[in-house]
Amino acid sequence: DGGITQSPKYLFRKEGQNVTLSCEQNLNHDAMYWYRQDPGQGLRLIYYSQIVNDFQKGDIAEGYSVSREKKESFPLTVTSAQKNPTAFYLCASSMGVGIAEAFFGQGTRLTVV
Amino acid sequence: AQSVAQPEDQVNVAEGNPLTVKCTYSVSGNPYLFWYVQYPNRGLQFLLKYITGDNLVKGSYGFEAEFNKSQTSFHLKKPSALVSDSALYFCAVIVGGSQGNLIFGKGTKLSVKP
Repeated sequence: DGGITQSPKYLFRKEGQNVTLSCEQNLNHDAMYWYRQDPGQGLRLIYYSQIVNDFQKGDIAEGYSVSREKKESFPLTVTSAQKNPTAFYLCASSMGVGIAEAFFGQGTRLTVV
Repeated sequence: AQSVAQPEDQVNVAEGNPLTVKCTYSVSGNPYLFWYVQYPNRGLQFLLKYITGDNLVKGSYGFEAEFNKSQTSFHLKKPSALVSDSALYFCAVIVGGSQGNLIFGKGTKLSVKP
């Protein structure tokens, strides 16, 4: 059953802690993305990766970090430097950056407590 | 700068009536345009895309969209709305031939009442 899986679905973090959000895909897609969604603001790109061992900053990369050691996996770490981390985080993948449509995971809702 | 605008935060439609969700874009180059739908607390689902060719594009669940180059628009339409169509709809654009990423609009909440 092909798809893109995000875990956990809900995540609670104490202020000052780093947390890592998981994203795995078995679609054999080269490109993967992380978006942040806030009410009324649409989706904003955090990081993207076009190929293994390479990734680029998006529009709001500050306070976040990623790695792409395997084609299937693109974890996102929300660091303590992110001032307002409470949001809905969406991971996506596509065959490549360009005309191919993106496939999205179900999202992780992160709440800072 | 490349951008996408969805001028309506919310659209209300009665079940069985036609619906339109508006999208306009601003890019320097040929646009590739997409529509996605999001149900509460879920990821986005792809509905349809325009790359080239026929200006009227048909997609999933009976939705279609019309690319209008002169008006730089890509409005989403459906002839007869269902209550189950109620969701958040996103328009997105990428400049054709570039290595850029999808740029999303802010979303339009569609509410279909019985």
